[in-house]
Amino acid sequence: GAVVSQHPSRVICKSGTSVKIECRSLDFQATTMFWYRQFPKQSLMLMATSNEGSKATYEQGVEKDKFLINHASLTLSTLTVTSAHPEDSSFYICSARSRDRGLVNYGYTFGSGTRLTVV
Amino acid sequence: AQKITQTQPGMFVQEKEAVTLDCTYDTSDPSYGLFWYKQPSSGEMIFLIYQGSYDQQNATEGRYSLNFQKARKSANLVISASQLGDSAMYFCAMTGPLSGIQGAQKLVFGQGTRLTINP
Repeated sequence: GAVVSQHPSRVICKSGTSVKIECRSLDFQATTMFWYRQFPKQSLMLMATSNEGSKATYEQGVEKDKFLINHASLTLSTLTVTSAHPEDSSFYICSARSRDRGLVNYGYTFGSGTRLTVV
Repeated sequence: AQKITQTQPGMFVQEKEAVTLDCTYDTSDPSYGLFWYKQPSSGEMIFLIYQGSYDQQNATEGRYSLNFQKARKSANLVISASQLGDSAMYFCAMTGPLSGIQGAQKLVFGQGTRLTINP
């Protein structure tokens, strides 16, 4: 089945530093990657959509310079939280959309998530 | 615009009983997909079941079934013979607007329902 590997699963960083989160599709080509943010006891909020080799499309209110997204290949997308601050502490999760609709999970495969804590 | 509503913030059920989690949606698109995901405390999003808007029969996957009432725009999840391991957050989602350079449909999520199974 389709698998998306997301790393790291947990990260603690100091305020002002940058953190990179990776999502890799292991056995399929992810033509699109969706990046979500989730605060405790809340729903998933879409931050941006990335496509291989193209600039990401950000949702309204999401700072492009703060959350850098790179979709370098059909199997790798990264989210970099730049100059992180405590308010950026959250759960970040990616979801890969496969080229072929109707693949496992009906085309949407989620990573396992990254819990970011900024101290 | 697409919208998903889950009106039950929390549900408490005795083990082995059946449970119904409510989900209503709103869309003007004739073609759409409906999803249910389980999110345990670890954070991963586990795909449970999918229903296409043109599917004539209600979807079933093991102990999970989707009660799809198109005219009422509802897509309730039914879990039969609940188990302690079913305790988790449950999200209803539907395919939404196109996003990204390649125009992939993003998922629109409901607020979620926290299900607790009591022994």
